[in-house]
Amino acid sequence: QKEVEQNSGPLSVPEGAIASLNCTYSDRGSQSFFWYRQYSGKSPELIMSIYSNGDKEDGRFTAQLNKASQYVSLLIRDSQPSDSATYLCAVRQSVAGGTSYGKLTFGQGTILTVHP
Amino acid sequence: DTEVTQTPKHLVMGMTNKKSLKCEQHMGHRAMYWYKQKAKKPPELMFVYSYEKLSINESVPSRFSPECPNSSLLNLHLHALQPEDSALYLCASSQGAGAYVEQFFGPGTRLTVL
Repeated sequence: QKEVEQNSGPLSVPEGAIASLNCTYSDRGSQSFFWYRQYSGKSPELIMSIYSNGDKEDGRFTAQLNKASQYVSLLIRDSQPSDSATYLCAVRQSVAGGTSYGKLTFGQGTILTVHP
Repeated sequence: DTEVTQTPKHLVMGMTNKKSLKCEQHMGHRAMYWYKQKAKKPPELMFVYSYEKLSINESVPSRFSPECPNSSLLNLHLHALQPEDSALYLCASSQGAGAYVEQFFGPGTRLTVL
């Protein structure tokens, strides 16, 4: 079983629409969750981090976390063609003293295309 | 300033060569990471240094040898690589290796092994 799973995509939305990206994780001990954006040929860029249940908003981006359901999502409002990229969900396991301490585990990524 | 720099941007090497990748950050971060990323795949963790000590080695082959000379620098020494080692090598850093810290990536080194 994969540790972090993302909706398979690719996801295509029209300009101005809301893009919804989803991620589930298997480790109940996970404590922090991150969304990265990666343009083709570039490195991942951190766009959101979330640590507590609920919503966190930053501009057009909203991250949502539900630890009971082991689910984290990213909403992009008013999507723009420049948002077209691969979005990576990353989960930080934190088992103090364990071999996985501090390890960031990534999902496979969801390719988002915003068409004009 | 959330900047991690990596050199070189591109590297082509033969299987008998020895080369090094370099990473630098000036954010005062105390944890640094090496990741490997193949095309259309997510980054895979290779090594973690925390306070200049190797804290995680994800069973990486010995032909990859990390080094952390000081808190701002991280090197990855390469020797006798295989063509399947061709990938984007990413360096990242964070304030620490704990749970509630954000990790920032450098631009990467695109490695091709002939």
